[in-house]
Amino acid sequence: DSGVTQTPKHLITATGQRVTLRCSPRSGDLSVYWYQQSLDQGLQFLIQYYNGEERAKGNILERFSAQQFPDLHSELNLSSLELGDSALYFCASSLGQKETQYFGPGTRLLVL
Amino acid sequence: AQSVAQPEDQVNVAEGNPLTVKCTYSVSGNPYLFWYVQYPNRGLQFLLKYITGDNLVKGSYGFEAEFNKSQTSFHLKKPSALVSDSALYFCAVRDGGNYGQNFVFGPGTRLSVLP
Repeated sequence: DSGVTQTPKHLITATGQRVTLRCSPRSGDLSVYWYQQSLDQGLQFLIQYYNGEERAKGNILERFSAQQFPDLHSELNLSSLELGDSALYFCASSLGQKETQYFGPGTRLLVL
Repeated sequence: AQSVAQPEDQVNVAEGNPLTVKCTYSVSGNPYLFWYVQYPNRGLQFLLKYITGDNLVKGSYGFEAEFNKSQTSFHLKKPSALVSDSALYFCAVRDGGNYGQNFVFGPGTRLSVLP
């Protein structure tokens, strides 16, 4: 168990809908990262937050947004969902900017 | 931009034999390299990392990795494979400076250890 928690574990929704994925980092970790894992794209970095501030941005669609709250938990919002958004979404956390990232169990999203 | 290659989609090895999972990288500056393992329906688990120092890095579950700067490689090794080592293995390189970072992952190598 990495200490990173993600909810929900599974999510089934329809095209055009909006969902929110939640992540709680390990105790004491200030950085949170979001990744998308799909069969055709592999593991793709989406976005990083450090102590509430956005620090790095990867291949994140404009339909997706994220934030990190004062208690350091993070939420990833996915809107106007498309079939191709079906994937495993991972959250990771690290103490600071250069430390090892520890991954949560992921949220499996299925868009029908 | 940083990149990672894992030239083998699949590696098969008999239980008790040594295993190697290959990784090559391309970075600007000093490389920060990592190995993660993913078991079915699970998240990624950290195995080991290279930041600086000895070229042979020891990690979790008996795994080690050898950093070779001239060959830009960071191969994962284990002297004696277990059936329970069967999983998907990812090599990653840190991309970023002092302000933000992300990991660039290789495509993954599926390891099958046969009893």
